[in-house]
Amino acid sequence: DQQVKQNSPSLSVQEGRISILNCDYTNSMFDYFLWYKKYPAEGPTFLISISSIKDKNEDGRFTVFLNKSAKHLSLHIVPSQPGDSAVYFCAASGRTGANNLFFGTGTRLTVIP
Amino acid sequence: DVKVTQSSRYLVKRTGEKVFLECVQDMDHENMFWYRQDPGLGLRLIYFSYDVKMKEKGDIPEGYSVSREKKERFSLILESASTNQTSMYLCASSPAGNSNQPQHFGDGTRLSIL
Repeated sequence: DQQVKQNSPSLSVQEGRISILNCDYTNSMFDYFLWYKKYPAEGPTFLISISSIKDKNEDGRFTVFLNKSAKHLSLHIVPSQPGDSAVYFCAASGRTGANNLFFGTGTRLTVIP
Repeated sequence: DVKVTQSSRYLVKRTGEKVFLECVQDMDHENMFWYRQDPGLGLRLIYFSYDVKMKEKGDIPEGYSVSREKKERFSLILESASTNQTSMYLCASSPAGNSNQPQHFGDGTRLSIL
């Protein structure tokens, strides 16, 4: 049973516009959420995270929003750049002993020049 | 910078072979993980380890085993490789639990079982 879901397998956005990637989770015990970016033939790279005590975290062009009541988070990229084209994975953790992460299935973002 | 190194980028093996995938991290992390990534399924946890000689099953441990004899090294073993184990395998590490620290990944091993 998928505890973290990314319902959009792909997204295309024009360069300079906003990209919004969405993620839903089912486990109310999750309290730490992350976004990873993955290029082909490379491992996932950590992008940004948010703790459940916050509802927003910003790092440059990247902002993550958390809506705990809806069990929903989103990643905003503004402005989008062609180099942002990659697969984005949402992940969640529930403070288990080894920081186990539960991953979504990924959204492939294509930024069109 | 954290460095997680997987020994092979590409590997081709035959059905029934015993396959070893090696992973080394240089940041003295306590936790290490093995995932496989398949299209439409995301990353699925195979095994993880939170200390030397300790191991825990993840979501899909069947057909796999692991070994952690030293803190920096975590090996994934396919006991008798089968074609459904053709996949991208990713190793990750992170500091000890109860801290909000991201996992750091290697570049992956693309394994093909013929």
